[in-house]
Amino acid sequence: GQQVMQIPQYQHVQEGEDFTTYCNSSTTLSNIQWYKQRPGGHPVFLIQLVKSGEVKKQKRLTFQFGEAKKNSSLHITATQTTDVGTYFCAGTNNLFFGTGTRLTVIP
Amino acid sequence: EAGVAQSPRYKIIEKRQSVAFWCNPISGHATLYWYQQILGQGPKLLIQFQNNGVVDDSQLPKDRFSAERLKGVDSTLKIQPAKLEDSAVYLCASSSRGPSYEQYFGPGTRLTVT
Repeated sequence: GQQVMQIPQYQHVQEGEDFTTYCNSSTTLSNIQWYKQRPGGHPVFLIQLVKSGEVKKQKRLTFQFGEAKKNSSLHITATQTTDVGTYFCAGTNNLFFGTGTRLTVIP
Repeated sequence: EAGVAQSPRYKIIEKRQSVAFWCNPISGHATLYWYQQILGQGPKLLIQFQNNGVVDDSQLPKDRFSAERLKGVDSTLKIQPAKLEDSAVYLCASSSRGPSYEQYFGPGTRLTVT
């Protein structure tokens, strides 16, 4: 069945370092959403990508959707302590959530 | 605007008991979703409603889980009977139009089955 995997599962970075999480699907996705979930909190929508090869930026965050629409990435430049949380991708209208990447930022 | 409301926030029950969760979406949001999030995993979509009709319930364990949204506004998710593996956070989300639009999540209900 459909699987959406994310790597890495965990990432510890020093504040100011960059961070990237990758999302890979076993099948083509119609679209992909990215969410951030703080510890003890609920997922918060970050962005949606729809087009093949699409790139979107939100301040220090850059999101990419692969040409084949089977993978995506989230890159954070110069991490801050406020970036701490688990980042999830979700494919095809949130039907398939990824396994998540838990980011820890060391001050 | 007010966010998605859920109650109760926490619930502890014994296996084989029944439990119900309530969700009130953001006013005017036609689409409502229920997710199950087991600790350390991503949310799993259980059911999606468009107004009071079911759009997708392919991942809902129908032998024990049921959900309804009778008037197209608030919704109830029920588990009967509960199993130990149902211990999870149950999240409700809503969006203003279809599933390709931004979803707003509620705070969730943490269920512990002992």
